[in-house]
Amino acid sequence: GDSVTQMEGPVTLSEEAFLTINCTYTATGYPSLFWYVQYPGEGLQLLLKATKADDKGSNKGFEATYRKETTSFHLEKGSVQVSDSAVYFCALRPSGSARQLTFGSGTQLTVLP
Amino acid sequence: SAVISQKPSRDICQRGTSLTIQCQVDSQVTMMFWYRQQPGQSLTLIATANQGSEATYESGFVIDKFPISRPNLTFSTLTVSNMSPEDSSIYLCSVELGVASYGYTFGSGTRLTVV
Repeated sequence: GDSVTQMEGPVTLSEEAFLTINCTYTATGYPSLFWYVQYPGEGLQLLLKATKADDKGSNKGFEATYRKETTSFHLEKGSVQVSDSAVYFCALRPSGSARQLTFGSGTQLTVLP
Repeated sequence: SAVISQKPSRDICQRGTSLTIQCQVDSQVTMMFWYRQQPGQSLTLIATANQGSEATYESGFVIDKFPISRPNLTFSTLTVSNMSPEDSSIYLCSVELGVASYGYTFGSGTRLTVV
């Protein structure tokens, strides 16, 4: 079945450091790919998405590119802020009629001032 | 985009009792999804609820334990029945933002603690 593998956490960075959170997936066809963010004590928010190969999703300085050849959707940000501290989830929606999301395990990011 | 009101936001319940969680959406949606997030873990889909038909449950989840209602296109409930401490989790509902957008919005979650 479909699956999403995220890099192990937690990740701790200093403010203004470069961030990469790796995400790879297993799925047939061309799934849609998402990054969600969960700030402390809050629900999930859609951060960015990509629906076809080579698409780049971007939002709030975060970017991720849908790489079909490597089945990856790595999240990057050039300069993190303390306010980016949260849990980040990679997710996919399969191609075809199925509509539910499959989530990765989540990566806890802490940014220190 | 759709806005979901989920309640209660949290509850502490005695083992053996049941809790019903409600999700109200501000627009009509075909499918609603119920997820569980166990402490420190990712989200696991419990079931998909369509209006006018029985919910479709994922492996490991059964209707007797997690009965779902979907009386109309804007509302759904999930009941956690005969609770045990292992049911302590965050429960979230979700809807798709629209067929073309391929995105989903989530309720704020219900943090359940079973004692």
